[in-house]
Amino acid sequence: EPEVTQTPSHQVTQMGQEVILRCVPISNHLYFYWYRQILGQKVEFLVSFYNNEISEKSEIFDDQFSVERPDGSNFTLKIRSTKLEDSAMYFCASTPTARPQNNQPQHFGDGTRLSIL
Amino acid sequence: KQEVTQIPAALSVPEGENLVLNCSFTDSAIYNLQWFRQDPGKGLTSLLLIQSSQREQTSGRLNASLDKSSGRSTLYIAASQPGDSATYLCAVGPLDSSYKLIFGSGTRLLVRP
Repeated sequence: EPEVTQTPSHQVTQMGQEVILRCVPISNHLYFYWYRQILGQKVEFLVSFYNNEISEKSEIFDDQFSVERPDGSNFTLKIRSTKLEDSAMYFCASTPTARPQNNQPQHFGDGTRLSIL
Repeated sequence: KQEVTQIPAALSVPEGENLVLNCSFTDSAIYNLQWFRQDPGKGLTSLLLIQSSQREQTSGRLNASLDKSSGRSTLYIAASQPGDSATYLCAVGPLDSSYKLIFGSGTRLLVRP
């Protein structure tokens, strides 16, 4: 079964450094998402992306964050100047279409654990 | 603002028992509700998706129901096995968004051999 793959599985970064988290969505999917889960807390929506544009973003997704689809397969989340509170598990997800059109489940990757020192 | 709550937070049962996990949400204006399984240190595996017009969905030993008007969903697991041990998350897709899911905090299930 096709999978969403994320790399790296664990990233350790010094506070203030830039970090890029990478995702390869399922190949025929058109909508892409990032979520995060701080240890012991709920999974939270960050951003959705379609046709090289942000479709929706949450209050968490401030100017420190950006997303990009640099080529036909990768989808990245960049954090420009990391803070201690950015430490979390970051999940990428994808769907073939947006939900209202076709009620498709979101398929999630295994996540990248980001540790800020 | 939509809030999703899951009760209980943790559950320990002997193998073979049938069990029910509960999910409640404060705003009935949803497109759908999705149940996920999360193993420690792993991603989210989609188990069942119930559209707002549906009452239930079944997959193998799993059955999920949805009562949108009362803001409740249940996940029924029949004949539980140790391999079912995981955290179970429910998430709703709100009507005011085409994209995001709003998650509950999960129920951590342990099935004892």
